[in-house]
Amino acid sequence: EDKVVQSPLSLVVHEGDTVTLNCSYEVTNFRSLLWYKQEKKAPTFLFMLTSSGIEKKSGRLSSILDKKELFSILNITATQTGDSAVYLCAGTGTASKLTFGTGTRLQVTL
Amino acid sequence: ETGVTQSPTHLIKTRGQQVTLRCSSQSGHNTVSWYQQALGQGPQFIFQYYREEENGRGNFPPRFSGLQFPNYSSELNVNALELDDSALYLCASSLPHSTEAFFGQGTRLTVV
Repeated sequence: EDKVVQSPLSLVVHEGDTVTLNCSYEVTNFRSLLWYKQEKKAPTFLFMLTSSGIEKKSGRLSSILDKKELFSILNITATQTGDSAVYLCAGTGTASKLTFGTGTRLQVTL
Repeated sequence: ETGVTQSPTHLIKTRGQQVTLRCSSQSGHNTVSWYQQALGQGPQFIFQYYREEENGRGNFPPRFSGLQFPNYSSELNVNALELDDSALYLCASSLPHSTEAFFGQGTRLTVV
Protein backbone atom coordinates (compact mmCIF):
# COMPACT_ATOMS: atom_id res chain seq x y z
CA GLU A 1 0.00 0.00 0.00
CA ASP A 2 1.28 3.46 -0.89
CA LYS A 3 2.44 5.58 2.04
CA VAL A 4 3.52 9.19 2.59
CA VAL A 5 4.94 10.42 5.89
CA GLN A 6 5.47 14.07 6.78
CA SER A 7 7.48 15.60 9.57
CA PRO A 8 7.26 17.45 11.79
CA LEU A 9 3.52 17.22 12.49
CA SER A 10 3.49 20.79 13.70
CA LEU A 11 5.86 23.70 13.94
CA VAL A 12 5.77 27.15 15.53
CA VAL A 13 8.29 29.72 14.30
CA HIS A 14 8.82 33.46 14.50
CA GLU A 15 8.29 35.70 11.52
CA GLY A 16 11.49 35.87 9.49
CA ASP A 17 12.66 32.36 10.34
CA THR A 18 13.43 29.74 7.70
CA VAL A 19 11.64 26.40 7.91
CA THR A 20 12.15 23.02 6.28
CA LEU A 21 9.30 20.57 5.96
CA ASN A 22 9.99 16.91 5.23
CA CYS A 23 8.14 14.31 3.21
CA SER A 24 9.10 10.68 2.64
CA TYR A 25 7.16 8.40 0.33
CA GLU A 26 6.63 4.83 -0.79
CA VAL A 27 4.50 4.93 -3.94
CA THR A 28 4.16 2.11 -6.45
CA ASN A 29 5.29 3.15 -9.95
CA PHE A 30 6.04 6.62 -8.65
CA ARG A 31 5.46 9.50 -11.10
CA SER A 32 5.47 12.72 -9.13
CA LEU A 33 5.45 14.40 -5.74
CA LEU A 34 3.13 17.33 -5.09
CA TRP A 35 3.05 19.97 -2.37
CA TYR A 36 -0.13 21.80 -1.36
CA LYS A 37 -0.92 24.58 1.11
CA GLN A 38 -4.21 24.25 2.97
CA GLU A 39 -5.44 27.27 4.89
CA LYS A 40 -9.14 26.75 5.33
CA LYS A 41 -10.61 24.26 2.93
CA ALA A 42 -9.19 23.87 -0.57
CA PRO A 43 -5.60 22.65 -0.81
CA THR A 44 -3.77 25.13 -3.02
CA PHE A 45 -1.21 23.71 -5.44
CA LEU A 46 2.40 24.75 -4.78
CA PHE A 47 4.78 22.45 -6.65
CA MET A 48 4.93 19.27 -8.66
CA LEU A 49 8.26 17.46 -8.74
CA THR A 50 9.10 14.64 -11.10
CA SER A 51 12.87 14.79 -11.55
CA SER A 52 15.39 14.16 -8.86
CA GLY A 53 17.74 16.94 -7.81
CA ILE A 54 16.03 19.79 -9.62
CA GLU A 55 14.88 22.56 -7.30
CA LYS A 56 11.61 24.31 -7.99
CA LYS A 57 11.20 27.83 -6.66
CA SER A 58 8.34 30.24 -6.26
CA GLY A 59 9.21 33.39 -4.35
CA ARG A 60 10.24 32.43 -0.83
CA LEU A 61 9.21 28.80 -1.31
CA SER A 62 11.36 26.10 -2.84
CA SER A 63 11.25 22.35 -3.05
CA ILE A 64 13.46 19.50 -4.16
CA LEU A 65 13.00 15.79 -4.73
CA ASP A 66 15.41 12.92 -4.06
CA LYS A 67 14.14 9.85 -5.92
CA LYS A 68 16.97 7.66 -4.68
CA GLU A 69 16.21 8.28 -1.00
CA LEU A 70 12.44 8.70 -1.62
CA PHE A 71 11.95 12.05 0.03
CA SER A 72 11.25 15.69 -0.65
CA ILE A 73 11.67 18.90 1.31
CA LEU A 74 9.81 22.18 1.19
CA ASN A 75 11.71 25.25 2.31
CA ILE A 76 10.16 28.55 3.25
CA THR A 77 12.54 31.45 3.85
CA ALA A 78 11.75 34.71 5.66
CA THR A 79 8.46 33.33 6.91
CA GLN A 80 5.45 35.61 7.25
CA THR A 81 2.25 35.21 9.25
CA GLY A 82 0.46 34.54 5.96
CA ASP A 83 2.48 31.35 5.61
CA SER A 84 0.58 29.86 8.56
CA ALA A 85 -1.25 26.84 7.17
CA VAL A 86 -1.17 23.08 6.86
CA TYR A 87 1.31 21.93 4.22
CA LEU A 88 0.39 18.67 2.51
CA CYS A 89 2.66 16.41 0.54
CA ALA A 90 1.25 13.81 -1.88
CA GLY A 91 2.75 11.14 -4.08
CA THR A 92 1.23 9.74 -7.24
CA GLY A 93 1.91 6.70 -9.40
CA THR A 94 0.43 5.40 -12.61
CA ALA A 95 -3.05 5.24 -11.06
CA SER A 96 -3.04 9.05 -10.86
CA LYS A 97 -4.56 8.99 -7.40
CA LEU A 98 -2.83 11.17 -4.82
CA THR A 99 -1.63 9.56 -1.60
CA PHE A 100 -1.34 12.29 1.01
CA GLY A 101 0.59 12.56 4.24
CA THR A 102 -1.12 13.86 7.37
CA GLY A 103 0.37 17.31 6.79
CA THR A 104 2.60 19.69 8.73
CA ARG A 105 0.78 22.45 10.59
CA LEU A 106 2.94 25.59 10.47
CA GLN A 107 2.22 28.56 12.70
CA VAL A 108 4.21 31.75 12.18
CA THR A 109 4.06 34.19 15.09
CA LEU A 110 5.03 37.86 15.28
CA GLU B 1 -9.25 30.29 -7.30
CA THR B 2 -9.01 27.02 -9.22
CA GLY B 3 -12.27 26.99 -11.13
CA VAL B 4 -13.38 23.78 -9.42
CA THR B 5 -16.68 24.40 -7.65
CA GLN B 6 -18.42 22.20 -5.11
CA SER B 7 -21.87 22.32 -3.60
CA PRO B 8 -23.13 22.55 -1.00
CA THR B 9 -20.43 24.09 1.20
CA HIS B 10 -21.88 22.71 4.42
CA LEU B 11 -24.34 19.93 5.15
CA ILE B 12 -25.77 18.30 8.26
CA LYS B 13 -27.34 14.87 7.94
CA THR B 14 -28.68 12.26 10.32
CA ARG B 15 -27.14 8.81 10.65
CA GLY B 16 -28.69 6.40 8.13
CA GLN B 17 -29.60 9.08 5.62
CA GLN B 18 -28.20 9.46 2.11
CA VAL B 19 -26.30 12.44 0.72
CA THR B 20 -25.26 13.70 -2.73
CA LEU B 21 -22.36 16.09 -3.17
CA ARG B 22 -21.65 17.87 -6.44
CA CYS B 23 -18.54 19.06 -8.26
CA SER B 24 -17.95 21.07 -11.42
CA SER B 25 -14.49 20.55 -12.80
CA GLN B 26 -12.16 23.18 -14.20
CA SER B 27 -12.67 23.92 -17.88
CA GLY B 28 -11.00 21.28 -20.05
CA HIS B 29 -10.42 18.87 -17.19
CA ASN B 30 -12.06 15.52 -17.89
CA THR B 31 -10.69 13.69 -14.87
CA VAL B 32 -12.34 14.16 -11.48
CA SER B 33 -11.24 12.63 -8.18
CA TRP B 34 -12.95 12.66 -4.80
CA TYR B 35 -11.19 12.70 -1.43
CA GLN B 36 -12.34 12.47 2.18
CA GLN B 37 -10.43 14.53 4.74
CA ALA B 38 -11.14 13.80 8.39
CA LEU B 39 -10.14 16.37 10.99
CA GLY B 40 -6.37 16.48 11.47
CA GLN B 41 -5.69 14.03 8.65
CA GLY B 42 -4.58 14.26 5.05
CA PRO B 43 -7.14 13.70 2.27
CA GLN B 44 -7.91 10.04 1.51
CA PHE B 45 -8.65 8.96 -2.08
CA ILE B 46 -12.21 7.73 -2.60
CA PHE B 47 -12.38 7.25 -6.37
CA GLN B 48 -11.62 8.84 -9.71
CA TYR B 49 -13.73 9.30 -12.85
CA TYR B 50 -12.43 9.67 -16.37
CA ARG B 51 -14.75 10.05 -19.34
CA GLU B 52 -17.77 9.03 -17.24
CA GLU B 53 -16.18 5.76 -16.08
CA GLU B 54 -14.74 4.93 -12.66
CA ASN B 55 -10.96 4.84 -13.08
CA GLY B 56 -9.69 3.69 -9.71
CA ARG B 57 -11.04 3.38 -6.21
CA GLY B 58 -9.60 3.66 -2.72
CA ASN B 59 -10.49 1.66 0.39
CA PHE B 60 -14.06 2.86 0.77
CA PRO B 61 -17.16 0.64 1.04
CA PRO B 62 -19.69 0.33 -1.81
CA ARG B 63 -22.07 2.75 -0.08
CA PHE B 64 -19.75 5.41 -1.48
CA SER B 65 -20.62 5.73 -5.16
CA GLY B 66 -20.20 8.30 -7.88
CA LEU B 67 -21.14 9.54 -11.30
CA GLN B 68 -19.54 11.68 -13.94
CA PHE B 69 -21.63 13.47 -16.54
CA PRO B 70 -20.85 14.31 -20.19
CA ASN B 71 -19.87 17.85 -19.17
CA TYR B 72 -17.34 16.26 -16.76
CA SER B 73 -19.15 17.41 -13.63
CA SER B 74 -19.43 14.75 -10.97
CA GLU B 75 -21.45 13.57 -8.00
CA LEU B 76 -20.47 11.68 -4.89
CA ASN B 77 -23.26 9.71 -3.24
CA VAL B 78 -23.02 8.22 0.24
CA ASN B 79 -25.74 5.88 1.49
CA ALA B 80 -26.51 4.78 5.03
CA LEU B 81 -24.48 7.59 6.58
CA GLU B 82 -22.41 6.80 9.64
CA LEU B 83 -21.02 9.20 12.24
CA ASP B 84 -17.49 8.53 10.94
CA ASP B 85 -18.48 9.87 7.53
CA SER B 86 -18.29 13.36 9.04
CA ALA B 87 -15.45 15.01 7.14
CA LEU B 88 -14.47 17.53 4.48
CA TYR B 89 -15.12 16.08 1.03
CA LEU B 90 -12.83 17.44 -1.65
CA CYS B 91 -13.16 17.22 -5.39
CA ALA B 92 -10.11 17.62 -7.62
CA SER B 93 -9.95 17.92 -11.38
CA SER B 94 -7.04 17.40 -13.74
CA LEU B 95 -6.16 17.31 -17.39
CA PRO B 96 -6.00 13.93 -19.13
CA HIS B 97 -2.93 11.91 -18.07
CA SER B 98 -1.75 14.72 -15.79
CA THR B 99 -0.99 14.23 -12.12
CA GLU B 100 -1.38 17.95 -11.35
CA ALA B 101 -4.73 18.17 -9.55
CA PHE B 102 -6.67 21.30 -8.58
CA PHE B 103 -9.06 21.21 -5.67
CA GLY B 104 -12.42 22.78 -4.98
CA GLN B 105 -13.36 24.41 -1.69
CA GLY B 106 -14.87 21.22 -0.38
CA THR B 107 -18.12 20.23 1.29
CA ARG B 108 -18.11 19.96 5.07
CA LEU B 109 -20.43 17.05 5.97
CA THR B 110 -21.54 16.55 9.54
CA VAL B 111 -23.43 13.37 10.45
CA VAL B 112 -25.33 13.50 13.73
